[in-house]
Amino acid sequence: GAVVSQHPSRVICKSGTSVKIECRSLDFQATTMFWYRQFPKQSLMLMATSNEGSKATYEQGVEKDKFLINHASLTLSTLTVTSAHPEDSSFYICSASRRQNSYEQYFGPGTRLTVT
Amino acid sequence: GQQLNQSPQSMFIQEGEDVSMNCTSSSIFNTWLWYKQEPGEGPVLLIALYKAGELTSNGRLTAQFGITRKDSFLNISASIPSDVGIYFCAGQRSGSRLTFGEGTQLTVNP
Repeated sequence: GAVVSQHPSRVICKSGTSVKIECRSLDFQATTMFWYRQFPKQSLMLMATSNEGSKATYEQGVEKDKFLINHASLTLSTLTVTSAHPEDSSFYICSASRRQNSYEQYFGPGTRLTVT
Repeated sequence: GQQLNQSPQSMFIQEGEDVSMNCTSSSIFNTWLWYKQEPGEGPVLLIALYKAGELTSNGRLTAQFGITRKDSFLNISASIPSDVGIYFCAGQRSGSRLTFGEGTQLTVNP
C-alpha cells in the first residue's frame, strides 16, 4: 500500500501564532508532495507542489511567505501557516507521489485548523 | 485555479438504486480520476482512466473516459449505505497537477 499520514489531525490556535502541519509517506519515498486546502462543502484547491530538496511551487494567489513549505526528505513535508488568522481556518490535506509527473497521488487524512 | 464542472451537486437515493454522476471540462485532460472523500478524511482513489473511450470497473463502480477527453462519468450500481460520501472527479493534463471537480454529495437512505 501507499500510506500517507498527517499530524496533527486537528489543531486550534490563536490568531497571530504559527502552526506547523506534517505530512509523512510511511511506506514509500515521495518524490513530490502536494498541499491542498479545502473549505467546508467545497473542492480541494491546490496550494503548492514541492519536490524533495527544492523550493515549492505555489499556485497563483497563495502567499509563499504565509504558507511555508519544506520538503527536506523523501518521506516528510511540512506546511507552516505563519501569523494565522481566522480566515486561514480550513481543512489542509497533503498528498504524495512516488514519481514526478505521475497522476498517482496518495492523500493524507487531513488536518483541521481552527484559528480563534 | 480552474475547476471541472461536476454534476449533480448532491444526490439523495434509496439503497439499491443506481447512481450516475459526471464531469465536464472546456479543455482536454490526459487522465481522469475519481475519488471518494468521507467526512474528516482525505480523498481515496476509486478509479483511474488513461485513454479516451476507456471504460473501467472497480466492483460496483464503473467509470468512463469520454471520447472527446473533455468529460467522464462514474456509475455506482446497487448502492449501499456505506457509499455515502463526497465523490470528486479530477483531471490531469501533463505533469502531476490535478484539477478537481466541485464534488457530488451522495446520501443513501437504507
